[in-house]
Amino acid sequence: EAGVAQSPRYKIIEKRQSVAFWCNPISGHATLYWYQQILGQGPKLLIQFQNNGVVDDSQLPKDRFSAERLKGVDSTLKIQPAKLEDSAVYLCASSLALGYNEQFFGPGTRLTVL
Amino acid sequence: KQEVTQIPAALSVPEGENLVLNCSFTDSAIYNLQWFRQDPGKGLTSLLLIQSSQREQTSGRLNASLDKSSGRSTLYIAASQPGDSATYLCAAPNNAGNMLTFGGGTRLMVKP
Repeated sequence: EAGVAQSPRYKIIEKRQSVAFWCNPISGHATLYWYQQILGQGPKLLIQFQNNGVVDDSQLPKDRFSAERLKGVDSTLKIQPAKLEDSAVYLCASSLALGYNEQFFGPGTRLTVL
Repeated sequence: KQEVTQIPAALSVPEGENLVLNCSFTDSAIYNLQWFRQDPGKGLTSLLLIQSSQREQTSGRLNASLDKSSGRSTLYIAASQPGDSATYLCAAPNNAGNMLTFGGGTRLMVKP
């Protein structure tokens, strides 16, 4: 069974530029999550989708971050414009459904904002 | 709001030693708790998902326990090996089970 796929693996941009990350969850997984992990800390949930609908985006900085999962499969997370403090690893995870299900993580995208 | 704490933040042990990693959480009304491993520059690998009704879950040299009443979980690693060197993270869901709150992790180094 293929795992969660993410691209790119690494990205370096200047502040105020835009960047987008892509995630393809495990086949058949209805729930998709985006996390931000700052160096030395645990991941923090940014947004959660159930199929193509948003379940929770309470911790997403909506003035600069956006995410979509239009067809209920793969998802894109965008930052526009980026700030220095956005430097982090962005992790995508998926689970079979809502509720108390095990989450499976992708390898992450390491973003450096200069 | 769930808060998760892991102690110690870093641990260095000689190869072969048995060790315990600790995780505490503030909201004891959890349905399960998940332990992850993270290698440098990599994503998270799920190690164990322990249900509140199970109290314990084992996988190979790993054993996780869960005590909801005290708000604690432990991950026991038997006969540690250099390949176990990584950061170990625990995570607890909120009441709806949809949001995981992570601890800061324990960075483990097993020396040959």
